[in-house]
Amino acid sequence: DAGVIQSPRHEVTEMGQEVTLRCKPISGHNSLFWYRQTMMRGLELLIYFNNNVPIDDSGMPEDRFSAKMPNASFSTLKIQPSEPRDSAVYFCASNKIASGGADTQYFGPGTRLTVL
Amino acid sequence: SQKIEQNSEALNIQEGKTATLTCNYTNYSPAYLQWYRQDPGRGPVFLLLIRENEKEKRKERLKVTFDTTLKQSLFHITASQPADSATYLCASVTYKYIFGTGTRLKVLA
Repeated sequence: DAGVIQSPRHEVTEMGQEVTLRCKPISGHNSLFWYRQTMMRGLELLIYFNNNVPIDDSGMPEDRFSAKMPNASFSTLKIQPSEPRDSAVYFCASNKIASGGADTQYFGPGTRLTVL
Repeated sequence: SQKIEQNSEALNIQEGKTATLTCNYTNYSPAYLQWYRQDPGRGPVFLLLIRENEKEKRKERLKVTFDTTLKQSLFHITASQPADSATYLCASVTYKYIFGTGTRLKVLA
C-alpha cells in the first residue's frame, strides 16, 4: 500500500494567493482528517470527514479555510486568500473506523506551506 | 477546554537507559490515549494505544501507563538506542483526537 499521499510536498506562495492542498487517503479507509502543525501550537485538528461527509470543522481557523471530499479517494484543503500566519505543515491522515473506536490514524508526509 | 500537555523541553538520555515521557490531560476524561513517533520531515507514526480501563500496555521495548486518577500517561522506552531519537506525541481520543505538542527525545551514544 502506498500510504496516505499528499501533494504538493512544499508550497511557497505570496500573501493573498489561493492555495490548494491535496490528499489521497489509504484505500478502504472511511475517515479523513486534516491537521496543521506549528512549533507553538503543535498538531491541531482542522476538520475531519467520515464517509466523505464533514463531521467536525470546528478547528478550521476562519472562513478563508475550506475543505472538500468529493469521493472516498480524494480531499482538498483550500486557503483563500492566504496569509503569512498560515505558514505551517499541513498533514492529512486517514483511518477505518471500526467498532470500539480509537482507531490508529495513518498520516501522510505533510505539505510544508510558506506564505510570504 | 480540553487540554493535553507534554513536556516541551527536549529529553536527553544515555544509550541503554530508560526514557520516560509524560502526558497530562485536563478538563476531560479520554476513553483512550495513543502515542505516536514523529521524525523530522515526516508525519506521525502510531506506536501504542491504551484504554482507560487498562493500567499498562507493552510492545517490545515500549511501555505505556494510564493513570485516570492523576490524569496522566507515561511512555517508557527501555534499553534506549540512538535510533529512538525522535519527537513523541501523545493523543487523547474522545469524540475527536487531541494531540499534545510532543516531546523531543535524543538518545546519546
